[in-house]
Amino acid sequence: ETGVTQSPTHLIKTRGQQVTLRCSSQSGHNTVSWYQQALGQGPQFIFQYYREEENGRGNFPPRFSGLQFPNYSSELNVNALELDDSALYLCASSLGGTGSATNEKLFFGSGTQLSVL
Amino acid sequence: DQQVKQNSPSLSVQEGRISILNCDYTNSMFDYFLWYKKYPAEGPTFLISISSIKDKNEDGRFTVFLNKSAKHLSLHIVPSQPGDSAVYFCAAPLPQSNTGKLIFGQGTTLQVKP
Repeated sequence: ETGVTQSPTHLIKTRGQQVTLRCSSQSGHNTVSWYQQALGQGPQFIFQYYREEENGRGNFPPRFSGLQFPNYSSELNVNALELDDSALYLCASSLGGTGSATNEKLFFGSGTQLSVL
Repeated sequence: DQQVKQNSPSLSVQEGRISILNCDYTNSMFDYFLWYKKYPAEGPTFLISISSIKDKNEDGRFTVFLNKSAKHLSLHIVPSQPGDSAVYFCAAPLPQSNTGKLIFGQGTTLQVKP
């Protein structure tokens, strides 16, 4: 069973640039959630994708956008980067759409550390 | 608005003793809580959960207690081991949401000394 993998592991960008982060979900999982973890804080929910459609969004501006592909992998795109976007970005996969889905079945990747200079 | 709060950024205990990590919440609509553990350079992993219909849930060395009237939960680790050293997050699902949409606390870094 393949776990959740994220790429790249580290990334340095400058203010105003755009960035794309990638996530491969665990085998058999059809739902991907993205979180932002700033230094010293807990992860904050950005948005979730279920079967290629956005399925809920947290309090993040529209310059944060995403995609989910037919193989259920996902991308997080951030435009017009700001210094405060510096954070660890976590992807989590799960099997959604079933009555037995629970948050215990949420599996996180190791994250992408983004630094905006 | 921080709906889930962990007011202690860090905790240090001796191996073999009890570790108690605390979490407070403000939203009375929360009906389920989870604890996650995070090691450096790894993603959070699920540890233990509790439903609001219970006041205690136990899994081996880990026990979570829920006090709904005080909007407070705590994670007890007995006995603590050096391998338990990690960041611990409490979390609650967004009300009326499905899997994967969680509100996390700020985390508590636990250090267990040999």
